[in-house]
Amino acid sequence: NAGVTQTPKFRVLKTGQSMTLLCAQDMNHEYMYWYRQDPGMGLRLIHYSVGEGTTAKGEVPDGYNVSRLKKQNFLLGLESAAPSQTSVYFCASSPLWEPQHFGDGTRLSIL
Amino acid sequence: AQSVTQPDIHITVSEGASLELRCNYSYGATPYLFWYVQSPGQGLQLLLKYFSGDTLVQGIKGFEAEFKRSQSSFNLRKPSVHWSDAAEYFCAVRGGYSTLTFGKGTMLLVSP
Repeated sequence: NAGVTQTPKFRVLKTGQSMTLLCAQDMNHEYMYWYRQDPGMGLRLIHYSVGEGTTAKGEVPDGYNVSRLKKQNFLLGLESAAPSQTSVYFCASSPLWEPQHFGDGTRLSIL
Repeated sequence: AQSVTQPDIHITVSEGASLELRCNYSYGATPYLFWYVQSPGQGLQLLLKYFSGDTLVQGIKGFEAEFKRSQSSFNLRKPSVHWSDAAEYFCAVRGGYSTLTFGKGTMLLVSP
């Protein structure tokens, strides 16, 4: 049972490039989330999804897009990367009313 | 909107000593509260949760937390710290659609 798997684990981008982060969960959870973690800031919610085909904005959604075409996958996209998006990105999933399970994170550097 | 405050950025505790990490929350209704731990380079692991009922909740690794509504607090405690407890600890409150609002974290250092 893999739980929540994030790919890639590390990535370096140049300003203006685009990329997609993939989150996959094998626990049949309804809810999925994307957070970013910055030093001294804790984790902040970017976007979330309450089911296949649905997405919603969190606290810091600007510059990101998401899609949930399949229940088990939640994609986070950066259309035009900026240095301010250098961060560690965490995906999480949960069943209704239960705690979230987190992936191991993706370290993204934008030069 | 809900919020979580962890007043201590860093705490250093001697191995074998007791530990208390502070967490204060702001939430309009009965809060659902969590403590997570993050080891370096790792994801977050759930230590314990409070949903309702008994205000003293037990978690994994010998941790416990006490919910005090009058003080809007949910402090994490451990009677005897081990070197392997060194990590960053996050308190969180649940919002709509089970989203989480995190505190900024407390880094625990354990001295020999």
